[in-house]
Amino acid sequence: GEDVEQSLFLSVREGDSSVINCTYTDSSSTYLYWYKQEPGAGLQLLTYIFSNMDMKQDQRLTVLLNKKDKHLSLRIADTQTGDSAIYFCAENQGGRRALTFGSGTRLQVQP
Amino acid sequence: GAGVSQTPSNKVTEKGKYVELRCDPISGHTALYWYRQSLGQGPEFLIYFQGTGAADDSGLPNDRFFAVRPEGSVSTLKIQRTERGDSAVYLCASGPGQGSYGYTFGSGTRLTVV
Repeated sequence: GEDVEQSLFLSVREGDSSVINCTYTDSSSTYLYWYKQEPGAGLQLLTYIFSNMDMKQDQRLTVLLNKKDKHLSLRIADTQTGDSAIYFCAENQGGRRALTFGSGTRLQVQP
Repeated sequence: GAGVSQTPSNKVTEKGKYVELRCDPISGHTALYWYRQSLGQGPEFLIYFQGTGAADDSGLPNDRFFAVRPEGSVSTLKIQRTERGDSAVYLCASGPGQGSYGYTFGSGTRLTVV
């Protein structure tokens, strides 16, 4: 599929909010996802949003979806050092089961 | 089991050799996926099984790659005549198959072809 784009790196201070952005490609994607990957570990599903929603909140996580611009964002409130990881957004192009991932955003949280 | 189990966790092989990578999905999950993740990249889809059959194998890069799931549970990814470009982390994931498309990944097998 075509590229899902993310910025490569984000650095924040502990306690601040982090916003990770993603631009996806397929307007027919039914779900959009955020995954977290810590060093040496598999991918952990953080949250997902159905394409007919604009926003989803889950504790410290807020997902915003702008379908017109094909823009997805993940906001992490009160960022902690344990949030340091690589964050991937993903879409299921054409409603397929297979996911197309971005290249990931490395989040560094400084104490 | 409690999670998706992949074995071996690391595999080093010589160029031209044949390798098999195993995935044990979460018990009861009918959907099983294989992805490949190269350094600094996101996972790239390879193949998806629903039950015993490959429902979507459009991500397999060429005919050196093949996967099976004969009893609808454990799956094996087979790579013939390995090349250095096959070096990557191979990730397996499983899901309940219906409803939400979210699924659970294993920790992967790191394949190094020397």
